[in-house]
Amino acid sequence: GAVVSQHPSWVICKSGTSVKIECRSLDFQATTMFWYRQFPKQSLMLMATSNEGSKATYEQGVEKDKFLINHASLTLSTLTVTSAHPEDSSFYICSANRPSGGSQETQYFGPGTRLLVL
Amino acid sequence: QKEVEQDPGPLSVPEGAIVSLNCTYSNSAFQYFMWYRQYSRKGPELLMYTYSSGNKEDGRFTAQVDKSSKYISLFIRDSQPSDSATYLCAMTPGGGNKLTFGTGTQLKVEL
Repeated sequence: GAVVSQHPSWVICKSGTSVKIECRSLDFQATTMFWYRQFPKQSLMLMATSNEGSKATYEQGVEKDKFLINHASLTLSTLTVTSAHPEDSSFYICSANRPSGGSQETQYFGPGTRLLVL
Repeated sequence: QKEVEQDPGPLSVPEGAIVSLNCTYSNSAFQYFMWYRQYSRKGPELLMYTYSSGNKEDGRFTAQVDKSSKYISLFIRDSQPSDSATYLCAMTPGGGNKLTFGTGTQLKVEL
């Protein structure tokens, strides 16, 4: 299967600081990447859709000024949590769309980044 | 009503059992159906990907889609303790649209 990496795998930071998470598609080019967050024992919650070369599309209720997304190349998208607070502590997972024939793409997920804000 | 319904479990089975995991959905526009497996503290791993109605088999895994009933299933034969994980169904109309996920079913295969 396709490989998507995330860095860092976990991060602990102080309240008020900013944290950047990188998502890379290692063996394919992804024009579209997605960012999710997941709380314990809950399903994935889509935060935003990241399109290479254009602005991200945020889901309702997600603050775009707090969760900055940059998709500068076909293999890299970054999520920056600005002025992080303890309630931002969560598991952040990215995925990348890989063409799989016809008009459909298949989403492959990264391993996730665990963020703890103290 | 959620677009995709999935029993959260937990589902506990003995090793070697056949496991049946299911999702129902309400949006008739969904054309592409996926099953992901997620181990604790890990990202989801794509297991099966099917288009429209029908069956697809890959090793011990079989995915079934019944669009007329808006019902999809994942069967796991000869279940192993290593199959213990949360299984998420996901679906999309296609064309690069975002996935809609079920809540996930937690499966435990016991020795």
